[in-house]
Amino acid sequence: GAGVSQSPSNKVTEKGKDVELRCDPISGHTALYWYRQSLGQGLEFLIYFQGNSAPDKSGLPSDRFSAERTGGSVSTLTIQRTQQEDSAVYLCASKTSGVNTGELFFGEGSRLTVL
Amino acid sequence: AQSVTQLGSHVSVSEGALVLLRCNYSSSVPPYLFWYVQYPNQGLQLLLKYTSAATLVKGINGFEAEFKKSETSFHLTKPSAHMSDAAEYFCAVTKGPGNQFYFGTGTSLTVIP
Repeated sequence: GAGVSQSPSNKVTEKGKDVELRCDPISGHTALYWYRQSLGQGLEFLIYFQGNSAPDKSGLPSDRFSAERTGGSVSTLTIQRTQQEDSAVYLCASKTSGVNTGELFFGEGSRLTVL
Repeated sequence: AQSVTQLGSHVSVSEGALVLLRCNYSSSVPPYLFWYVQYPNQGLQLLLKYTSAATLVKGINGFEAEFKKSETSFHLTKPSAHMSDAAEYFCAVTKGPGNQFYFGTGTSLTVIP
């Protein structure tokens, strides 16, 4: 596709259930980022994938959060045993890794509501 | 360590007035700086970026920003606000290719008719 695609756009779940959020980056982009945006808050870094390197997981808030990137393309963010404080918009972004610093291209986000 | 600070979580201006959104950065190396805009229920899109070329950077929709190393600032300006400029604005910094992006907490711009 032409841009970063995220699904679902909206997800409502019950506390304690697991959720999976998907990100399909721009073709050819080797770097992929996940951010969390809570109401009235800035962007909280979660995890960063760069090519075949080990991901930077330093932003994951707890061991209930995990992410993988298969084949260097699509990424899935998984939240296990969801809590109400997990309610937020989860944004995915991708970029190239050429010598010129490219900007991040963002998807429209997945809005998660935990009841 | 790198970070950005956006002064003022909410800014209101009258239509036609000057827009000034403040961003200060801290970086141990020459930074690359960005301004992004987020319209309601949308993802972020790039307004402009500084990557060590000209210190005055022009972006889309009439916005520009000036990199001032002595002040460690990268403030965003627009001479005349339009109603369509109402949005959330984020400043971001990175060291360069393959590095982490750090975002400010955002400034919500309201344009008063």
